[in-house]
Amino acid sequence: GAGVSQSPSNKVTEKGKDVELRCDPISGHTALYWYRQSLGQGLEFLIYFQGNSAPDKSGLPSDRFSAERTGGSVSTLTIQRTQQEDSAVYLCASRTSGGMTPQETQYFGPGTRLLVL
Amino acid sequence: AQSVTQLGSHVSVSEGALVLLRCNYSSSVPPYLFWYVQYPNQGLQLLLKYTSAATLVKGINGFEAEFKKSETSFHLTKPSAHMSDAAEYFCAVSWSNTGKLIFGQGTTLQVKP
Repeated sequence: GAGVSQSPSNKVTEKGKDVELRCDPISGHTALYWYRQSLGQGLEFLIYFQGNSAPDKSGLPSDRFSAERTGGSVSTLTIQRTQQEDSAVYLCASRTSGGMTPQETQYFGPGTRLLVL
Repeated sequence: AQSVTQLGSHVSVSEGALVLLRCNYSSSVPPYLFWYVQYPNQGLQLLLKYTSAATLVKGINGFEAEFKKSETSFHLTKPSAHMSDAAEYFCAVSWSNTGKLIFGQGTTLQVKP
């Protein structure tokens, strides 16, 4: 079946511009995560969505970062006024359910490689 | 702060040799533990996970890992390396009910012919 998809696969932008990254989770998966993979910081959690609950935004590095999930499916991560340190691979993951099942497998998309010039 | 450490950012083995990738976590409370593999320009793929059912966990591609509470470790092994095993390997842990993962820094496995 279809896995997690992300678009675009690559994005080059100029410093100060806004970017939007999209994630399509596996159909039926109610939990969705964003992670960032960068040379300096490794893989780090950004934000978590579960159904209609308030998202866990504890990993967002600054107020320039925001994310939304519409209709419990597609998610968009927005970075405003991009900086060079935002250059990284942004990974999205989804899993069947959320809450009280931390052992459940997360399925990752291929990522969006963002380069800020 | 809770964390996970992978000892060795690069490991090189010969084809057919034992693979051992180390992972330690920092808490007296055992987390849920995962090993993921990442091939170049691809996302993360789950190799195996520990969920307290058994301390020795078998995964895909001949990999296995043993949870040792006394050592707070979850090392990944494979008896005989194959060229196709060359990739980056991440140990990840979760202490949160939300399942958010904390990753180690990753270990790049090189397999020499």
